[in-house]
Formats: sequence, C-alpha cells, structure tokens
Amino acid sequence: DAKTTQPPSMDCAEGRAANLPCNHSTISGNEYVYWYRQIHSQGPQYIIHGLKNNETNEMASLIITEDRKSSTLILPHATLRDTAVYYCIANLLGTSYGKLTFGQGTILTVHP
Amino acid sequence: EAQVTQNPRYLITVTGKKLTVTCSQNMNHEYMSWYRQDPGLGLRQIYYSMNVEVTDKGDVPEGYKVSRKEKRNFPLILESPSPNQTSLYFCASSSQTSASYEQYFGPGTRLTVT
Repeated sequence: DAKTTQPPSMDCAEGRAANLPCNHSTISGNEYVYWYRQIHSQGPQYIIHGLKNNETNEMASLIITEDRKSSTLILPHATLRDTAVYYCIANLLGTSYGKLTFGQGTILTVHP
Repeated sequence: EAQVTQNPRYLITVTGKKLTVTCSQNMNHEYMSWYRQDPGLGLRQIYYSMNVEVTDKGDVPEGYKVSRKEKRNFPLILESPSPNQTSLYFCASSSQTSASYEQYFGPGTRLTVT
C-alpha cells in the first residue's frame, strides 16, 4: 500500500465547501485512492474512490491530480454532521482481501 | 436495512476470562474482517475471512481467534483477555466485487479488560 499523508486537522464553515487534501506521492499505477470517514467513534463509512479520473457521488467529489501524487476530497456544502475524521487510503483494488490500512486521517471540524 | 451488527456494544471484563464478540451481516457478503482501534495507532486489521471456513491473519492477530462457520457470522474470540486488548473493535464486511473499497462497518464494541 502506498503511504498517504494528510493534515491532522482542518476547519470549515457550515455551508462552505470543505477541501481535504491527501498526498500519495509513491502511489503505483494500479492503486486506487479511497476515502472513508469516521464520525465520533462510530464505524468508518465509505465515501468515494477513484483511480485517475475525477469522481463524484451524492456525498462528495474526488479530484486526483494528473500525476496521481495527490488528491482532494471535496464536500461541496459542509454541514455540522460532516464533522468527522477523514481517511485517505491508497490500495490495490480487489487484491487486499478486504484489508484497508487506515492512517491517522484529518479531523474536520465544521463550525456554524 | 443492510447492516453489520455487533454484540455486545460495551464490555468490561477481567484478565483471563474468555469472551466472544459476535458480528453478523445481512448483505450476503463474502469478505468479513475484524479491526481494532487504539489512540495514536489508527485502525489495524486483526483477522479476515474470504468466505465460509476461510480465514487468515491480519496485522495484529496475537491473542485472538475467529471462526466462519456461516456466511453471515464472524465471531471474534479472546481466549484469555489481557489489559493490552482493551480497545474499540469493529467488524466489517464487503462483497467479493468490492472487497477493497466499499466496506461496511459495524457500530463498534468497546472492550475494557481489567
């Protein structure tokens, strides 16, 4: 698994976009980038994943740089309920037998 | 409703007293895993199972046992718990087609061993 680096914490105003960066400079060509979040000691929740194209779903958007060395998770209109720890993970899709390696993540605090 | 359930949610026990934490999923998933979460160490995989009767060690298997006799259930067994197994435990499941990304996690079991 490629090592990922995230800022330890970030703040965001409610209603504004939250942009969470992730550095994965050693990522290999067939490793995907996944994002999970964990709200206050609940079980982690899958958000989105991508390989090299930008991805969007109902929760968030994922922007991956052309060289794939970094990515940004975007929550377009953050709410107080988005306050959580966000994890960026780089892994080979389909080969890890269900194993995800979680780092320390970014604590996102959304304030009124 | 698709979900992963764990029981108990909270448990305080004493050193050496065998315990089992149950995990059940209703999504017919092939893959199931157990993780533990400790401050400063993040989530670490204990054991995983690719299907019935197929299990393997994760990163921190010492002191734990698992079994997968039915597809839906994946209990975690601590034969002789010790204080260093005090932790927050999560069970997770995923389908064979999405094993590496979309995992569904249970609500967690907070275990304290005194």
